[in-house]
Amino acid sequence: AQSVAQPEDQVNVAEGNPLTVKCTYSVSGNPYLFWYVQYPNRGLQFLLKYITGDNLVKGSYGFEAEFNKSQTSFHLKKPSALVSDSALYFCAVRDPGRGTYKYIFGTGTRLKVLA
Amino acid sequence: DTEVTQTPKHLVMGMTNKKSLKCEQHMGHRAMYWYKQKAKKPPELMFVYSYEKLSINESVPSRFSPECPNSSLLNLHLHALQPEDSALYLCASSSPGQGPSGAYEQYFGPGTRLTVT
Repeated sequence: AQSVAQPEDQVNVAEGNPLTVKCTYSVSGNPYLFWYVQYPNRGLQFLLKYITGDNLVKGSYGFEAEFNKSQTSFHLKKPSALVSDSALYFCAVRDPGRGTYKYIFGTGTRLKVLA
Repeated sequence: DTEVTQTPKHLVMGMTNKKSLKCEQHMGHRAMYWYKQKAKKPPELMFVYSYEKLSINESVPSRFSPECPNSSLLNLHLHALQPEDSALYLCASSSPGQGPSGAYEQYFGPGTRLTVT
């Protein structure tokens, strides 16, 4: 079965420090991986995706993610955290077994950036 | 325009009421989704429409009835809901596609906060 795991419920980081939000996946075939961010009482916003090609993917708001096939990971990173980055982050994978429409979400990681 | 709109923002309904949630997008996306999200949990897929046809129903109770009148609109009709149905209901859309070039991201609306009393 396809799945994604976000091992940390919460990540705390000081403003200006680098941040990492972890995601590991388990899929058969080529993984199509996504990161979304959700602010309180809002919908999810797309940050970036990995489909194929360069393992380092750059996305919105200075975020990037590194695809590591051997470790089956897709960690989200940012070189310098902002207080405004505090939000709930979801990793997702497209389930190839359900055509193009089934996306499996991780449990989410709450990022708290401390001033 | 990369916006998905949802109305109403908030809805309080009794267990005997009938109400509808509405979703609209004008990005030309031909796949539209309904998700249910409980607090601090990931979204749970309910329904997917592709080219205005129901593609996925994740065994959702019949008190939830989706409708896709055209390629821009998606409705969710609610009837005889239970208090445990209280949640944030999210609509999303994406381009459909096959293979690597078709792994499109989803665009989400802000959601409807539903409370069933």
